Amino acid sequence: DIQMTQSPSSLSASVGDRVTITCRASQSISRYLNWYQQKPGKAPKLLIYATSSLQSGVPSRFSGSGSGTDFTLTISSLQPEDFATYYCQESYSTPRTFGQGTKLEIK
Amino acid sequence: EVKLVESGGGLVQPGGSLRLSCAASGFTFSGFWMSWVRQGPGKGLEFVANIKQDGSEKYYVDSVKGRFTISRDNAENSLYLQMNSLRAEDTAVYYCAMGGASHGQFAYWGQGTLVTVSS
Repeated sequence: DIQMTQSPSSLSASVGDRVTITCRASQSISRYLNWYQQKPGKAPKLLIYATSSLQSGVPSRFSGSGSGTDFTLTISSLQPEDFATYYCQESYSTPRTFGQGTKLEIK
Repeated sequence: EVKLVESGGGLVQPGGSLRLSCAASGFTFSGFWMSWVRQGPGKGLEFVANIKQDGSEKYYVDSVKGRFTISRDNAENSLYLQMNSLRAEDTAVYYCAMGGASHGQFAYWGQGTLVTVSS
């Protein structure tokens, strides 16, 4: 199975900060990488698919990049509603492995 | 508006069985792969199973193979997960998700249903 490793596991930041979360795959997954946001007690929400395509309705301050094994999610200017846990997920193979999550907290 | 509503969760003893259902609306159900994803208490997300539009292909995470069965009824716009021989480690919130095809994404998620396996 492909292993997905996110870093950092947790991150403290302030409103207005630029934040980057990294996801690394144990083997090449081309650009088959998705990002989700999850708030406490809620279902995950798709933010970005196929590395860099923004899901409909997601603010443009979210962006994604990468290919092969290394990927990043960037939030250009943190808003109060962005404090949540973020997961990457590969869709290159079965099982569709998720990263362990990055918890983004208010500084 | 896409809507996915799970039901069927609850408390079950180890070794017991449970059948989860997911009622879909707001999209052409028969046109999409569907999936189950779970999240243990305080843990991350784990893919459980997915099923092709016509039910001809199904895939499972190793830990549930032989115990869980995913199925669908396109006439009823419903997705199911039959869970047998349940273990404590199956305790989780189970989410129904639209998508899960190869090279695809989980585009929409239900609110989840809690399964607790405990004596």
